[in-house]
Amino acid sequence: GENVEQHPSTLSVQEGDSAVIKCTYSDSASNYFPWYKQELGKGPQLIIDIRSNVGEKKDQRIAVTLNKTAKHFSLHITETQPEDSAVYFCAASMRFGAGTRLTVKP
Amino acid sequence: EPEVTQTPSHQVTQMGQEVILRCVPISNHLYFYWYRQILGQKVEFLVSFYNNEISEKSEIFDDQFSVERPDGSNFTLKIRSTKLEDSAMYFCASSSRSALDTEAFFGQGTRLTVV
Repeated sequence: GENVEQHPSTLSVQEGDSAVIKCTYSDSASNYFPWYKQELGKGPQLIIDIRSNVGEKKDQRIAVTLNKTAKHFSLHITETQPEDSAVYFCAASMRFGAGTRLTVKP
Repeated sequence: EPEVTQTPSHQVTQMGQEVILRCVPISNHLYFYWYRQILGQKVEFLVSFYNNEISEKSEIFDDQFSVERPDGSNFTLKIRSTKLEDSAMYFCASSSRSALDTEAFFGQGTRLTVV
């Protein structure tokens, strides 16, 4: 089955800085890669996704890049704000990475 | 906005008891999932369900677990004889197409505490 690795486990940045979270996956058949944000006491919510026929996708301050050959994809958040503080999960073939706790310091 | 609804929000049960966690998926969705998240850990896939049958299950989903869609709106997870290590948040999710290919929408979760 699919195995998703995610790094780093924790990330602390100053407000306004960029944050990058990286994931690798094992199953070359995976073709859909969502990123979820989980706030305390809530279920995961999709923030951006990418399909295997696309190398990059952007939505305002959030972007995702995909390298199918290397089997890795990354989440980029620019101009971070305190409300971006949460746990972020990548996923592939319905399997989640271990999560990254992002803290944005004002 | 349509949402996935889970009840109860918190369930406390004695070890060895059976529990049923309930979910109402988004109404036009056809694919349903259960995930588990032990406190502070990753979200773990348990099972996916489509067309009234299990389409995929993980190694966690052993014989003590079962899922059912008893009517047109509910999707349930039953744990037959709970163990202390079953204590976790359980999330239900649904999607219009397979989550291999599209977004899954998650409920707010049921916190299960086994004592």
